[in-house]
Amino acid sequence: GQNIDQPTEMTATEGAIVQINCTYQTSGFNGLFWYQQHAGEAPTFLSYNVLDGLEEKGRFSSFLSRSKGYSYLLLKELQMKDSASYLCAVQNYGGSQGNLIFGKGTKLSVKP
Amino acid sequence: DVKVTQSSRYLVKRTGEKVFLECVQDMDHENMFWYRQDPGLGLRLIYFSYDVKMKEKGDIPEGYSVSREKKERFSLILESASTNQTSMYLCASSLSRGAGPNYGYTFGSGTRLTVV
Repeated sequence: GQNIDQPTEMTATEGAIVQINCTYQTSGFNGLFWYQQHAGEAPTFLSYNVLDGLEEKGRFSSFLSRSKGYSYLLLKELQMKDSASYLCAVQNYGGSQGNLIFGKGTKLSVKP
Repeated sequence: DVKVTQSSRYLVKRTGEKVFLECVQDMDHENMFWYRQDPGLGLRLIYFSYDVKMKEKGDIPEGYSVSREKKERFSLILESASTNQTSMYLCASSLSRGAGPNYGYTFGSGTRLTVV
């Protein structure tokens, strides 16, 4: 079966660092996406990992361990505008349900 | 930039009405998808299409149908709207089936449908 797990909600303080975890068990794997979704808006692309290791992009970094079926999104120097939901999605282009399989998302609240 | 446009941001319909949600993308993407998004349930795939006139059922197709007569347009149809179809509906498109960062999804802004 296909299963992608993320925490439902997280709270952090402005200026701090937060790590959002994602574990997956899927029938195939071609890469992992992270999307950001502000309330009432469309999800937008944040990062993509296919090789093990850390990809850094400004304040945001994403990590992947294929052997452990594990990824995390690291947000540094948190800002109020980072309050959003973060969606983990596994790319499985040989699968039957389209290309991407989404987790349910993690709602991050950043407090002053 | 790829743009995915959904025709309405907010819709209110009555129970039993036939409802059409329209989605248009402007970058010649082959794949198009319809999701609904509900609190605590995440994105649930309703239908998707890999090509014109093709359609595949997703996880929750009951009560919905789709139409893809042109490559750029993918319509979601609620044959007889019910209150349990009140939700946020998101359309997405992708280049084609493939691996790599270029095969991610671009989403529309969503249609919040309320059925009363």
